[in-house]
Amino acid sequence: QKEVEQNSGPLSVPEGAIASLNCTYSDQGSQSFFWYRQYSGKSPELIMFIYSNGDKEDGRFTAQLNKASQYVSLLIRDSQPSDSATYLCAVNAGDYKLSFGAGTTVTVRA
Amino acid sequence: DAGITQSPRYKITETGRQVTLMCHQTWSHSYMFWYRQDLGHGLRLIYYSAAADITDKGEVPDGYVVSRSKTENFPLTLESATRSQTSVYFCASSDPDNPPDNEQFFGPGTRLTVL
Repeated sequence: QKEVEQNSGPLSVPEGAIASLNCTYSDQGSQSFFWYRQYSGKSPELIMFIYSNGDKEDGRFTAQLNKASQYVSLLIRDSQPSDSATYLCAVNAGDYKLSFGAGTTVTVRA
Repeated sequence: DAGITQSPRYKITETGRQVTLMCHQTWSHSYMFWYRQDLGHGLRLIYYSAAADITDKGEVPDGYVVSRSKTENFPLTLESATRSQTSVYFCASSDPDNPPDNEQFFGPGTRLTVL
């Protein structure tokens, strides 16, 4: 069973601050990593993906990957109230399947 | 409308009844997936399909049946619903030929309550 663990929430941050989300995975062979955002009552949507060690930036979002430590993180800079959502970490699990973490709920305080 | 749709969006049924959840996508994606989402468990894969007439079990397949006679449709059937199958069900699809090849696109979900 491939496991994906996310830091327990909820995470509350003030508007304008950095939100830091962490995810660890058990399968050393995993090659691709995804962050999905899910608003309450809605379906997940992809916001970031990363394949290589290091950082990948897209607007206010930065994904960080360390395969040696089996660790992937998501930073949200200049957090906005619209960033309040649950963030799901997902890791490829073979045959185009994904294993998802339980999610971390982020609340941005105005 | 283009995209991935699910029906019904809400369903209340009784224990022991058969229920079918529908999923339809217009992208001709080869892969389709069914998940259930429960508090504290995230998304758990029930079944998936790599193409028409090819299906395989996921993490939690017991009590569910799938079929895929056409690329665009992937129905999920609960043969005899139980209270433990009360959940939100998401269908997803992906296209391995377009990067990122593991990206999955999700339908709006079906909220199922089994009384």
